[in-house]
Amino acid sequence: EPEVTQTPSHQVTQMGQEVILRCVPISNHLYFYWYRQILGQKVEFLVSFYNNEISEKSEIFDDQFSVERPDGSNFTLKIRSTKLEDSAMYFCASSGDRRREQYFGPGTRLTVT
Amino acid sequence: KQEVTQIPAALSVPEGENLVLNCSFTDSAIYNLQWFRQDPGKGLTSLLLIQSSQREQTSGRLNASLDKSSGRSTLYIAASQPGDSATYLCAADSGGYQKVTFGIGTKLQVIP
Repeated sequence: EPEVTQTPSHQVTQMGQEVILRCVPISNHLYFYWYRQILGQKVEFLVSFYNNEISEKSEIFDDQFSVERPDGSNFTLKIRSTKLEDSAMYFCASSGDRRREQYFGPGTRLTVT
Repeated sequence: KQEVTQIPAALSVPEGENLVLNCSFTDSAIYNLQWFRQDPGKGLTSLLLIQSSQREQTSGRLNASLDKSSGRSTLYIAASQPGDSATYLCAADSGGYQKVTFGIGTKLQVIP
């Protein structure tokens, strides 16, 4: 069964460093999303991406964040200068249609020290 | 701004019991509502998605209902099993700036 994959599973970085989190969505899906979950808190929407551009973004998704689909399979989230408060689990998701189910990857745990 | 609330926060039941998890949302203008399961330290597994035009969806022992007018959804789990132990999240897709809003989840423990 097709699934969303994410790498790395765990990333440790120092404050101020840039990180890139990678996702491979399900191959025939057209809509892509990033979410984050700070330990013990709700899953929060960051951004959605369709047709090679951002379609929605939340207040969390400020200028420090960017997304890219560099090729036909990968979808990346870049944080330019990480802060301690960026420590969280980051989930990628994809869906085949705007109104259909979102399928989540296993997440990347980002730890900023 | 959409707010999603889930009650109870935690639930412990003996194996075999039927149970209901509740989700409420403040903005009834939703595209769909999706229920997920999250195991500790893991990603989210989609369980059921209810479109705004639907009233319920069923998958195996799971049944989810949606009442947009009252801003409520319920997830019914029949004949619970220890393997059902997990955190159950509901998420409302409202479109707009905050695309999908999650509840904090209900942590379910099914005791053998």
